[in-house]
Amino acid sequence: AQRVTQPEKLLSVFKGAPVELKCNYSYSGSPELFWYVQYSRQRLQLLLRHISRESIKGFTADLNKGETSFHLKKPFAQEEDSAMYYCALKSDSGNTPLVFGKGTRLSVIA
Amino acid sequence: EPEVTQTPSHQVTQMGQEVILRCVPISNHLYFYWYRQILGQKVEFLVSFYNNEISEKSEIFDDQFSVERPDGSNFTLKIRSTKLEDSAMYFCASSNRRDTYEQYFGPGTRLTVT
Repeated sequence: AQRVTQPEKLLSVFKGAPVELKCNYSYSGSPELFWYVQYSRQRLQLLLRHISRESIKGFTADLNKGETSFHLKKPFAQEEDSAMYYCALKSDSGNTPLVFGKGTRLSVIA
Repeated sequence: EPEVTQTPSHQVTQMGQEVILRCVPISNHLYFYWYRQILGQKVEFLVSFYNNEISEKSEIFDDQFSVERPDGSNFTLKIRSTKLEDSAMYFCASSNRRDTYEQYFGPGTRLTVT
């Protein structure tokens, strides 16, 4: 069964501090991993996907197959990063549904 | 930039009533999805739809649920006889093979069953 675990419901950091949002997954195959973000009163939007290997808004995430993790990191948090972050998994690169974690609310304190 | 739209933004209904949630996917997308999020819980997949038929559905998507693409633009989710536990945020999403199936989400419809 596919499962995504985000152990922290809420993460508060000070502006300028490093951020790490944890995500672990369970899947026997080779999944695609994603981070979605939902800013206040806005829709879910894709932040980044592991196959792109890019940095978006200063965020990066590395897929660690050994630890089955896909943690989201940013070296210096900004107030505008405050949002709900969801880690998600797809079983392959095709038209398959997303399996979401419960989400972590990031609060960046000025 | 084109976006997925959903109507209404909030629907209140009585238990046992039928509801139809509407979505307008991005115009050149071919794959459509419904997800829901019960308050405080994770976003859960309900159903995917392609080429005028259901591609995949979850255990949640029982006989009370149905989806339809009645015309070239709308994609609807119908709940025949709502239950209290159907209260949730319902998200529509669409994707396109050209975008490697990246799913674009609508703003959601909050369904409250009383």
